[in-house]
Amino acid sequence: GQQLNQSPQSMFIQEGEDVSMNCTSSSIFNTWLWYKQDPGEGPVLLIALYKAGELTSNGRLTAQFGITRKDSFLNISASIPSDVGIYFCAGQRAGGTSYGKLTFGQGTILTVHP
Amino acid sequence: EADIYQTPRYLVIGTGKKITLECSQTMGHDKMYWYQQDPGMELHLIHYSYGVNSTEKGDLSSESTVSRIRTEHFPLTLESARPSHTSQYLCASSEWESETGVTGELFFGEGSRLTVL
Repeated sequence: GQQLNQSPQSMFIQEGEDVSMNCTSSSIFNTWLWYKQDPGEGPVLLIALYKAGELTSNGRLTAQFGITRKDSFLNISASIPSDVGIYFCAGQRAGGTSYGKLTFGQGTILTVHP
Repeated sequence: EADIYQTPRYLVIGTGKKITLECSQTMGHDKMYWYQQDPGMELHLIHYSYGVNSTEKGDLSSESTVSRIRTEHFPLTLESARPSHTSQYLCASSEWESETGVTGELFFGEGSRLTVL
Protein backbone atom coordinates (compact mmCIF):
# COMPACT_ATOMS: atom_id res chain seq x y z
CA GLY A 1 0.00 0.00 0.00
CA GLN A 2 0.89 3.67 -0.26
CA GLN A 3 3.55 4.63 2.27
CA LEU A 4 4.47 8.15 1.18
CA ASN A 5 1.91 10.92 0.72
CA GLN A 6 3.22 13.67 -1.52
CA SER A 7 1.43 16.97 -2.02
CA PRO A 8 0.36 18.85 -3.91
CA GLN A 9 -0.31 16.54 -6.85
CA SER A 10 0.13 19.40 -9.30
CA MET A 11 1.04 23.08 -9.33
CA PHE A 12 0.57 25.80 -11.93
CA ILE A 13 2.69 28.84 -11.16
CA GLN A 14 4.07 31.96 -12.77
CA GLU A 15 7.75 32.29 -13.53
CA GLY A 16 9.54 33.88 -10.58
CA GLU A 17 7.23 32.44 -7.91
CA ASP A 18 8.44 30.18 -5.13
CA VAL A 19 7.27 26.56 -4.91
CA SER A 20 6.85 24.28 -1.93
CA MET A 21 5.99 20.58 -1.86
CA ASN A 22 6.16 17.97 0.85
CA CYS A 23 6.00 14.29 1.68
CA THR A 24 4.65 12.67 4.80
CA SER A 25 4.47 9.13 6.07
CA SER A 26 3.24 7.18 9.05
CA SER A 27 6.56 5.31 8.99
CA ILE A 28 9.99 6.49 10.07
CA PHE A 29 12.54 7.01 7.29
CA ASN A 30 16.32 6.90 7.45
CA THR A 31 16.89 8.67 4.16
CA TRP A 32 14.93 11.24 2.16
CA LEU A 33 15.75 12.07 -1.42
CA TRP A 34 14.15 14.40 -3.94
CA TYR A 35 14.17 13.55 -7.64
CA LYS A 36 13.06 15.40 -10.77
CA GLN A 37 11.80 13.60 -13.85
CA ASP A 38 11.56 15.26 -17.25
CA PRO A 39 9.16 13.83 -19.86
CA GLY A 40 10.50 10.63 -21.40
CA GLU A 41 13.47 10.48 -19.07
CA GLY A 42 14.42 8.71 -15.87
CA PRO A 43 14.41 10.58 -12.53
CA VAL A 44 17.51 12.56 -11.59
CA LEU A 45 18.56 13.22 -8.00
CA LEU A 46 18.23 16.82 -6.78
CA ILE A 47 18.93 16.64 -3.06
CA ALA A 48 19.69 13.85 -0.58
CA LEU A 49 19.05 14.08 3.18
CA TYR A 50 20.45 11.66 5.75
CA LYS A 51 19.89 13.20 9.19
CA ALA A 52 16.74 14.28 11.01
CA GLY A 53 16.52 18.07 10.98
CA GLU A 54 19.02 18.39 8.14
CA LEU A 55 18.47 21.37 5.86
CA THR A 56 20.29 21.22 2.52
CA SER A 57 20.40 23.59 -0.44
CA ASN A 58 21.31 23.03 -4.06
CA GLY A 59 21.16 26.31 -5.94
CA ARG A 60 17.54 27.52 -5.85
CA LEU A 61 16.43 24.27 -4.21
CA THR A 62 16.19 23.71 -0.46
CA ALA A 63 15.04 20.54 1.25
CA GLN A 64 14.66 19.49 4.86
CA PHE A 65 14.53 16.16 6.66
CA GLY A 66 11.78 16.45 9.26
CA ILE A 67 12.64 16.14 12.94
CA THR A 68 10.15 13.31 13.40
CA ARG A 69 11.79 11.49 10.45
CA LYS A 70 8.31 11.07 8.97
CA ASP A 71 8.32 13.99 6.57
CA SER A 72 10.36 16.14 4.22
CA PHE A 73 9.79 19.24 2.14
CA LEU A 74 11.31 20.73 -0.99
CA ASN A 75 11.28 24.43 -1.82
CA ILE A 76 12.15 25.95 -5.18
CA SER A 77 12.78 29.68 -5.18
CA ALA A 78 12.32 32.04 -8.13
CA SER A 79 11.01 29.37 -10.49
CA ILE A 80 12.02 29.36 -14.15
CA PRO A 81 10.46 27.56 -17.14
CA SER A 82 13.03 24.74 -17.05
CA ASP A 83 11.79 23.78 -13.57
CA VAL A 84 8.83 22.14 -15.31
CA GLY A 85 8.64 18.42 -14.64
CA ILE A 86 7.55 15.87 -12.08
CA TYR A 87 9.15 16.00 -8.65
CA PHE A 88 9.29 12.86 -6.54
CA CYS A 89 10.21 12.38 -2.94
CA ALA A 90 11.74 9.03 -2.06
CA GLY A 91 12.84 7.48 1.16
CA GLN A 92 14.34 4.42 2.72
CA ARG A 93 12.23 3.23 5.61
CA ALA A 94 13.86 2.32 8.89
CA GLY A 95 14.12 -1.40 9.37
CA GLY A 96 16.44 -4.09 8.03
CA THR A 97 14.09 -5.40 5.33
CA SER A 98 14.02 -1.96 3.68
CA TYR A 99 17.79 -1.63 3.36
CA GLY A 100 18.81 -0.66 -0.13
CA LYS A 101 15.24 -0.03 -1.28
CA LEU A 102 13.50 3.27 -1.88
CA THR A 103 9.79 4.05 -1.66
CA PHE A 104 8.57 6.84 -3.93
CA GLY A 105 5.84 9.43 -3.43
CA GLN A 106 3.10 9.97 -6.03
CA GLY A 107 4.89 12.93 -7.56
CA THR A 108 4.14 16.64 -7.95
CA ILE A 109 3.62 17.85 -11.51
CA LEU A 110 5.00 21.38 -11.81
CA THR A 111 4.01 23.72 -14.62
CA VAL A 112 5.65 27.14 -14.88
CA HIS A 113 4.05 29.82 -17.04
CA PRO A 114 6.50 32.36 -18.52
CA GLU B 1 25.82 11.90 -15.99
CA ALA B 2 24.81 8.35 -15.03
CA ASP B 3 26.26 5.47 -17.04
CA ILE B 4 23.20 3.27 -17.13
CA TYR B 5 21.56 2.28 -20.37
CA GLN B 6 18.24 0.75 -21.28
CA THR B 7 17.12 -0.76 -24.57
CA PRO B 8 14.78 -0.55 -26.28
CA ARG B 9 13.51 2.93 -25.43
CA TYR B 10 10.16 2.18 -27.06
CA LEU B 11 8.57 -1.16 -27.90
CA VAL B 12 5.14 -1.93 -29.38
CA ILE B 13 4.27 -5.62 -29.55
CA GLY B 14 1.32 -7.94 -29.81
CA THR B 15 -0.24 -9.97 -27.02
CA GLY B 16 1.51 -13.24 -26.24
CA LYS B 17 4.98 -12.20 -27.40
CA LYS B 18 8.05 -12.74 -25.27
CA ILE B 19 10.08 -9.61 -24.61
CA THR B 20 13.31 -8.78 -22.83
CA LEU B 21 14.16 -5.29 -21.65
CA GLU B 22 17.90 -4.77 -21.38
CA CYS B 23 19.67 -2.75 -18.68
CA SER B 24 23.40 -2.22 -18.36
CA GLN B 25 25.51 -0.03 -16.10
CA THR B 26 29.22 0.69 -16.22
CA MET B 27 29.60 2.08 -12.70
CA GLY B 28 30.34 -1.26 -11.04
CA HIS B 29 27.32 -0.94 -8.76
CA ASP B 30 26.26 -4.08 -6.94
CA LYS B 31 22.66 -3.02 -6.41
CA MET B 32 20.25 -2.80 -9.33
CA TYR B 33 16.53 -2.24 -9.51
CA TRP B 34 13.54 -2.34 -11.86
CA TYR B 35 10.70 0.10 -11.30
CA GLN B 36 7.36 0.22 -13.13
CA GLN B 37 5.78 3.62 -13.75
CA ASP B 38 2.52 4.55 -15.42
CA PRO B 39 2.50 8.02 -17.07
CA GLY B 40 2.73 10.79 -14.51
CA MET B 41 2.46 8.34 -11.67
CA GLU B 42 4.69 7.10 -8.89
CA LEU B 43 7.40 4.49 -9.30
CA HIS B 44 6.77 0.98 -8.00
CA LEU B 45 9.65 -1.39 -7.26
CA ILE B 46 9.11 -4.72 -9.04
CA HIS B 47 12.56 -6.37 -8.81
CA TYR B 48 15.90 -5.74 -7.19
CA SER B 49 19.29 -7.36 -6.94
CA TYR B 50 22.10 -6.92 -4.43
CA GLY B 51 24.69 -8.58 -6.64
CA VAL B 52 25.44 -11.42 -9.02
CA ASN B 53 23.04 -14.34 -8.66
CA SER B 54 20.87 -12.31 -6.27
CA THR B 55 17.33 -11.36 -7.31
CA GLU B 56 14.31 -10.44 -5.19
CA LYS B 57 10.70 -9.49 -5.83
CA GLY B 58 9.82 -5.88 -5.11
CA ASP B 59 6.83 -4.32 -3.43
CA LEU B 60 4.59 -4.50 -6.51
CA SER B 61 3.75 -7.94 -7.83
CA SER B 62 4.87 -8.45 -11.41
CA GLU B 63 4.66 -11.32 -13.87
CA SER B 64 8.09 -10.39 -15.20
CA THR B 65 11.32 -12.14 -14.23
CA VAL B 66 14.89 -10.91 -13.94
CA SER B 67 18.36 -12.39 -13.91
CA ARG B 68 21.74 -11.14 -12.68
CA ILE B 69 24.52 -13.22 -14.19
CA ARG B 70 26.92 -10.31 -14.51
CA THR B 71 27.35 -7.26 -12.30
CA GLU B 72 26.73 -4.82 -15.11
CA HIS B 73 23.67 -6.49 -16.65
CA PHE B 74 20.13 -6.85 -15.24
CA PRO B 75 17.62 -7.84 -17.94
CA LEU B 76 13.86 -8.08 -17.39
CA THR B 77 11.78 -10.64 -19.27
CA LEU B 78 8.07 -11.07 -19.91
CA GLU B 79 7.33 -14.56 -21.23
CA SER B 80 3.90 -13.68 -22.62
CA ALA B 81 3.07 -9.99 -22.83
CA ARG B 82 -0.47 -8.74 -22.21
CA PRO B 83 -2.07 -5.29 -22.56
CA SER B 84 -1.99 -4.96 -18.75
CA HIS B 85 1.82 -4.94 -19.01
CA THR B 86 1.73 -1.66 -20.93
CA SER B 87 3.82 0.76 -18.88
CA GLN B 88 7.19 2.41 -18.56
CA TYR B 89 9.93 0.29 -17.02
CA LEU B 90 12.83 2.10 -15.35
CA CYS B 91 16.11 0.43 -14.44
CA ALA B 92 18.34 1.88 -11.74
CA SER B 93 21.57 1.09 -9.94
CA SER B 94 23.04 2.21 -6.67
CA GLU B 95 26.29 2.22 -4.79
CA TRP B 96 24.21 2.60 -1.63
CA GLU B 97 27.25 2.66 0.64
CA SER B 98 30.31 4.67 -0.29
CA GLU B 99 33.57 5.06 1.58
CA THR B 100 32.09 8.06 3.40
CA GLY B 101 28.82 6.42 4.35
CA VAL B 102 25.35 5.65 3.07
CA THR B 103 24.57 7.41 -0.20
CA GLY B 104 21.19 5.99 -1.11
CA GLU B 105 21.22 7.63 -4.51
CA LEU B 106 19.71 5.66 -7.36
CA PHE B 107 20.95 6.34 -10.89
CA PHE B 108 18.18 5.77 -13.41
CA GLY B 109 18.23 4.82 -17.05
CA GLU B 110 16.03 6.66 -19.51
CA GLY B 111 13.35 3.98 -19.34
CA SER B 112 11.72 1.52 -21.71
CA ARG B 113 8.17 2.37 -22.71
CA LEU B 114 6.29 -0.85 -23.49
CA THR B 115 2.96 -0.96 -25.31
CA VAL B 116 1.20 -4.30 -25.71
CA LEU B 117 -1.62 -4.37 -28.23
